[in-house]
Amino acid sequence: GAVVSQHPSWVICKSGTSVKIECRSLDFQATTMFWYRQFPKQSLMLMATSNEGSKATYEQGVEKDKFLINHASLTLSTLTVTSAHPEDSSFYICSARDGQGYEKLFFGSGTQLSVL
Amino acid sequence: ELKVEQNPLFLSMQEGKNYTIYCNYSTTSDRLYWYRQDPGKSLESLFVLLSNGAVKQEGRLMASLDTKARLSTLHITAAVHDLSATYFCAVEYYTNAGKSTFGDGTTLTVKP
Repeated sequence: GAVVSQHPSWVICKSGTSVKIECRSLDFQATTMFWYRQFPKQSLMLMATSNEGSKATYEQGVEKDKFLINHASLTLSTLTVTSAHPEDSSFYICSARDGQGYEKLFFGSGTQLSVL
Repeated sequence: ELKVEQNPLFLSMQEGKNYTIYCNYSTTSDRLYWYRQDPGKSLESLFVLLSNGAVKQEGRLMASLDTKARLSTLHITAAVHDLSATYFCAVEYYTNAGKSTFGDGTTLTVKP
């Protein structure tokens, strides 16, 4: 089956620094990827839809300048948390759909971000 | 506004028992997913249901969809400890750019 690779799995950073998270589709091309965040014991909240070659579409309430998304190729999308603060600490998950078998979404392994 | 409601939110059951998790959604959907999430892990896709009356089964889990009632169920048969996890349903619409809306999740604990 299709595989989505997400790195890093966890990251600890100081307040004010920026963190980049990568999401790669390993054996398929993904024109669209989705980025979610999840707080402990809560559901997934969609942050943005990443479209290859164009600007990301952000959900209401998500700061575009804080969560920068780049989808430069059909296999890679990145999420950069800029000037991170403790309230940005969360579990971030990406997902992608295989264009050939579009029924399923495939999820990355997630990134646990802790901002000190 | 699209709403997806799951119940129960927490479920503790004994091994060998049967139970059902319910997922209600507020407007007509194009597809419905069930996912499993273990603590500290990402989501694992279990089922995708596309049409009214769809039923899918894998192992001790069976999912069904009633689009008229806007209801999906995830039935657990003869639960075992390995099924302990959080289960999410998610609803998707073609007109919503393929975005999924998730329920709040049901945390299942299966006790010996």
